[in-house]
Amino acid sequence: DSGVTQTPKHLITATGQRVTLRCSPRSGDLSVYWYQQSLDQGLQFLIQYYNGEERAKGNILERFSAQQFPDLHSELNLSSLELGDSALYFCASSVDRGLNYGYTFGSGTRLTVV
Amino acid sequence: DQQVKQNSPSLSVQEGRISILNCDYTNSMFDYFLWYKKYPAEGPTFLISISSIKDKNEDGRFTVFLNKSAKHLSLHIVPSQPGDSAVYFCAAWVPGNMLTFGGGTRLMVKP
Repeated sequence: DSGVTQTPKHLITATGQRVTLRCSPRSGDLSVYWYQQSLDQGLQFLIQYYNGEERAKGNILERFSAQQFPDLHSELNLSSLELGDSALYFCASSVDRGLNYGYTFGSGTRLTVV
Repeated sequence: DQQVKQNSPSLSVQEGRISILNCDYTNSMFDYFLWYKKYPAEGPTFLISISSIKDKNEDGRFTVFLNKSAKHLSLHIVPSQPGDSAVYFCAAWVPGNMLTFGGGTRLMVKP
C-alpha cells in the first residue's frame, strides 16, 4: 500500500457519459498529480494541484476537469466520454511542489468506455 | 513532442544476466532523472534516481548512468531476476515542473 488511494479501481461506462475519479493523497502530501496511461503508451501528465490550487496543466482535454478539496483529496471529472478516453488514470502525490521527496503513485483507475 | 523517449518497447534477458534499459531526452533543462518500475495492476513505484551533476548512481543491483552530452541515461540491473519482470519508466524533471515520463520498456527476465 503506497498510501495514495484511488477509487474506483475499475469503471465501465458508455460513450457520452460523465465519471468522477477520486484520489486521496498520502498523509502529509500537499501536491496531487493526475496522469493518463493509454494502451501501451507512457504516462501523460494531465494536471497538478498544490494545496487546493491548480499548479500546472498538461495535455488535459477541455472535457476533463479536476479539483483539490480542503482535505487535500482530489477528483478528476471526465465528461462527454469517448472510446479513446479508455485508459488507466493514475494519481500521484508529493510533499511539496518540487521533487524533494519524489512522487508516490496510487494503483490507478481503469476506465473502459464502451 | 516527446521530450523523454524509451525506444525499446520490450526487452528479454536470461536470469542472472545484465539488463540494460535505455532512455533519451531532448530538454537540456532537465535537472533530475528517475526510474520507476510498474507491475500489472499496480501504480509505478520509485526505483532509483540521479541528479544531473552526477554520471552514476548505484543502489544494490541497480545502477543508473547519465551521459549529459549525449542526453542519454541507462538503467543496469545486475544480476537480473525473474521478479524484475515489469515495465520500467524513465522520467525527467525540470525544477518547478512536473515529471515527464517516457513510454516505458517491458522487461521480461526468463528463468
